Amino acid sequence: GAVVSQHPSRVICKSGTSVKIECRSLDFQATTMFWYRQFPKQSLMLMATSNEGSKATYEQGVEKDKFLINHASLTLSTLTVTSAHPEDSSFYICSARKELGSYTFGSGTRLTVV
Amino acid sequence: QQQVKQSPQSLIVQKGGISIINCAYENTAFDYFPWYQQFPGKGPALLIAIRPDVSEKKEGRFTISFNKSAKQFSLHIMDSQPGDSATYFCAVSLSGGYNKLIFGAGTRLAVHP
Repeated sequence: GAVVSQHPSRVICKSGTSVKIECRSLDFQATTMFWYRQFPKQSLMLMATSNEGSKATYEQGVEKDKFLINHASLTLSTLTVTSAHPEDSSFYICSARKELGSYTFGSGTRLTVV
Repeated sequence: QQQVKQSPQSLIVQKGGISIINCAYENTAFDYFPWYQQFPGKGPALLIAIRPDVSEKKEGRFTISFNKSAKQFSLHIMDSQPGDSATYFCAVSLSGGYNKLIFGAGTRLAVHP
């Protein structure tokens, strides 16, 4: 089956620092990866769509300079939260698309900014 | 504009009962309708999915019913178990290209023993 690995699972950082989250498709090539943000007891909100070798497409209202996305290979996409602040604390989840209509999600990263 | 509406927001079911969660969508171009299960602190996991060329799909205790004309689809969990207690999300998508999944608001299911 399709497996997506996301690291780290939890991270605590100081306000003003940057944090990088990795998303890897372990057993398939993912031409498209997606990054979501989820607040407690809420749904998943799409932040951006990441295509291998090209710039990410950000959803309306998502600051592209704050949430840097790099999709350097068919198996790896990274999300960097730059100059993190407490309001960036959230659960970040990546997803990779294996084949037509099939999306696999990572286990998520709990970011806490103190 | 909310592209997919999910109900109920929360649901309590007795062990052995049937859990039913509903979703309605707007765009008739959507052609992929999955349901995801999410436990606290984990990413969503695909439960079952359907395409609009069939009206029902069953996998074990989970069934999707799809009504194309009404633009609605539902998840039925038969013989609900306490281990099914989780948050369930419906989603919609266009299957071609780089299309994204659009999620419903979620339903928190509690199955009481």
